[in-house]
Amino acid sequence: SAVISQKPSRDICQRGTSLTIQCQVDSQVTMMFWYRQQPGQSLTLIATANQGSEATYESGFVIDKFPISRPNLTFSTLTVSNMSPEDSSIYLCSVRGATTTDTQYFGPGTRLTVL
Amino acid sequence: KQEVTQIPAALSVPEGENLVLNCSFTDSAIYNLQWFRQDPGKGLTSLLLIQSSQREQTSGRLNASLDKSSGRSTLYIAASQPGDSATYLCAVTSTNAGKSTFGDGTTLTVKP
Repeated sequence: SAVISQKPSRDICQRGTSLTIQCQVDSQVTMMFWYRQQPGQSLTLIATANQGSEATYESGFVIDKFPISRPNLTFSTLTVSNMSPEDSSIYLCSVRGATTTDTQYFGPGTRLTVL
Repeated sequence: KQEVTQIPAALSVPEGENLVLNCSFTDSAIYNLQWFRQDPGKGLTSLLLIQSSQREQTSGRLNASLDKSSGRSTLYIAASQPGDSATYLCAVTSTNAGKSTFGDGTTLTVKP
């Protein structure tokens, strides 16, 4: 199994500012994903962040708004840029091991409120 | 495009009952299906992972089945307890990039 920590656990931010969320894994993993969970809704994939390659964004999400770094096999950051109240969500980091058949694990999430 | 549906959206049962949560998906070409539990304001906890070649997986009071050809999975919870109260999410992996599509979840309340 993988143990994932995220920082910060929650934050309240002003419109127009940016927030960087950190994701740390206790073991080396190939596949890392960032999800968003808006209030009362299910999870939506923002992007896939595999080490050694550029992040791959899902439809509706762009790099200028959600830049991602993946400097090594245990760490990643997601930045939410130029925030608006619509960005208020829980942001979740998730990992798999080396293959698609591996179990997917999630971090505790970062609860973001934008005023 | 894969779509995942979970029924019912909410379920309330008395303690001790056995119950079944349902998950259906539109594209049967999947790698695996995973059931998660989410407590309010928390992240997701993995419950069971079923590979496409498997029919079921069991862990304690939980049993998950998979019928890939019909695009269905069920999560069976035996002898439910108040501590089982949570939202249960089903996630289907349909690509070798490891990305998952989630259902909207079933919110379970077990009354003492």
